[in-house]
Amino acid sequence: SQTIHQWPATLVQPVGSPLSLECTVEGTSNPNLYWYRQAAGRGLQLLFYSVGIGQISSEVPQNLSASRPQDRQFILSSKKLLLSDSGFYLCAWSMGIGNQPQHFGDGTRLSIL
Amino acid sequence: DQQVKQNSPSLSVQEGRISILNCDYTNSMFDYFLWYKKYPAEGPTFLISISSIKDKNEDGRFTVFLNKSAKHLSLHIVPSQPGDSAVYFCAASAGANSGGSNYKLTFGKGTLLTVNP
Repeated sequence: SQTIHQWPATLVQPVGSPLSLECTVEGTSNPNLYWYRQAAGRGLQLLFYSVGIGQISSEVPQNLSASRPQDRQFILSSKKLLLSDSGFYLCAWSMGIGNQPQHFGDGTRLSIL
Repeated sequence: DQQVKQNSPSLSVQEGRISILNCDYTNSMFDYFLWYKKYPAEGPTFLISISSIKDKNEDGRFTVFLNKSAKHLSLHIVPSQPGDSAVYFCAASAGANSGGSNYKLTFGKGTLLTVNP
């Protein structure tokens, strides 16, 4: 069966520091991969998605970037964090063809001080 | 512009009764709809989905109904159990057949369901 791992679970970072969140998927090949953010009191907002190695699509302009160095690895990064980057970050995967549900990791709670 | 709306922030039901969670959407290009369940400090868990070619899909205690003319879907849980207490998110996507991208899920803000013993 497929599993998705996301770490760390919680992270406290000072303003201006860099960020790297990692997500890996097991048990499937060539998945679509996604990064979402949930701000307090709001729904999930898609940040990035990837349909293959090195292919990244950005949904909203922001202070963050994503990379997919391997088929089942998805990384969310920032060079300098802002206070507004605080939130709950979720990685997800789905099969690549047709209408397929997305399956989420357990998320990272990021607090910027 | 909120394209997927869950107008009830919370719902409380008694154990054994039916829970009905509602969701409205505005984008007529949406053709795939999903419900997710989320516990605190965890990621959302996929529950059930429905394609726009259907008006009902059932999986055990969970049934999703789709009314395309009203742009409305609902999730029925029967019988409700205390372990069902969680936040439920409705989500939708516009698939490739509709000229959209089924990569992007648009989520509602969620409804907190509390099932009382």
